[in-house]
Formats: sequence, structure tokens, C-alpha cells
Amino acid sequence: QSALTQPASVSGSPGQSITISCTGTSSDVGSYNLVSWYQQHPGKAPKLMIYEGSKRPSGVSNRFSGSKSGNTASLTISGLQAEDEADYYCCSYAGSHWVFGGGTKLTVL
Amino acid sequence: EVQLVESGGGLVQPGGSLRLSCAASGFTFSSYEMNWVRQAPGKGLEWVSYISSSGSTIYYADSVKGRFTISRDNAKNSLYLQMNSLRAEDTAVYYCARVGSYYRIDYWGQGTLVTVSS
Repeated sequence: QSALTQPASVSGSPGQSITISCTGTSSDVGSYNLVSWYQQHPGKAPKLMIYEGSKRPSGVSNRFSGSKSGNTASLTISGLQAEDEADYYCCSYAGSHWVFGGGTKLTVL
Repeated sequence: EVQLVESGGGLVQPGGSLRLSCAASGFTFSSYEMNWVRQAPGKGLEWVSYISSSGSTIYYADSVKGRFTISRDNAKNSLYLQMNSLRAEDTAVYYCARVGSYYRIDYWGQGTLVTVSS
């Protein structure tokens, strides 16, 4: 039950695009196309942004997109906005348990 | 509107016990699997436990196995987490979270803080 690997921080200017990677193993990310991404603002509960690797829940901006290659999933945010500044977590179902990434702090410069 | 409201958190001494509750509304609780997820202060998210819709299947993270017990009462639309033999490292905000299709965690409560300290 080891955590998925994410960069601790990323930054970008308004209007730019950023990508956050999430590396797991063949037992989690690589085995299941069931990676989710969550946005968490300080003091708030996480919010689902991407599920099944690339699908967006209703109401989530199409500026958010997800992909996966092998054991690595990625979240891309295009057209950065000030309100995108938050912590982002990836999560993979791994058969009888879930594993989260350590989180990435996104700073909008 | 899906709502999950946790309660029962507080300050407890090491070795003590606490029972968390989660009241669900806005959806058919008995049809959904549920998770508990925690977040230590300033740290990332950690999955804690899972329970199937009927309560017949349960999983735990290695870090809590043998000390925590998850349960549910579908008649009361409620989820529970009995926490025994608490340790300092169990200090965290505990979130109740719904499991949607294809094992995605789609809704979260606001969390309840558990502090284990003497």
C-alpha cells in the first residue's frame, strides 16, 4: 500500500498550462484504468475533478483533462486561473484498497 | 444534493477509543459502497477503510487493521468507524466518502478532526 508519486509543487502563470504527474506501479495505476484526481483548497474537503483517468464529472471545467500511460497518470490544467491554486491528489483503485499520491501544491503566479 | 456529515471527533489520549459517525442524505445510501479517508495535519490523503453496500465486504489499510472497525446502518443512513488503541499517528481529519461507479470516490464529507494526545 505505498503512496503514488507526485511532484511536491508546480507553478504557472495565468493562462498557461501545467501538468501534474502521478507514478504508481503495475499493481495500481498500471493495472486499472481507475485513476481519479482531486482538488483540495485549504480547509476544504477534496473535490473530484477527473475519474477513470480522463473523464470529467458534470460541472468540472473542460480546462481540466487527464491521461495515462503505463504506470503514470497525468492531470493537465489549461488556461490557468487564480482559483486553480490548490492541492491536487491522484488516487488509484488497487483491488481491495485505494492508494493516493502525496499531493501537489499548485501555485498560480 | 449528496450530503455527508461526519461527527464524533475530538481529543483522546493514546490508547483510547473514539467512534466516528457519518450521516448520509441526498442519495440512496443502501445502494452505495463507502470509504473512510484521513488526512494528518499538513499531510496528504490516506485511505483507511471500505465497506460494501450491504456491509458484507470490508477492507482496511494495514496501518489500522486490527484496531479500527467500519460498519454501517442502512436503516439509519449512517456509516461508522470505531477506533480503538489510538496512537499519536492517528491524529487526522477523517472524511466519510462515497464510492461511485468504477470505484471512484465521488463525494466527501467536510471531515471531523481526531487528535490523539496526552
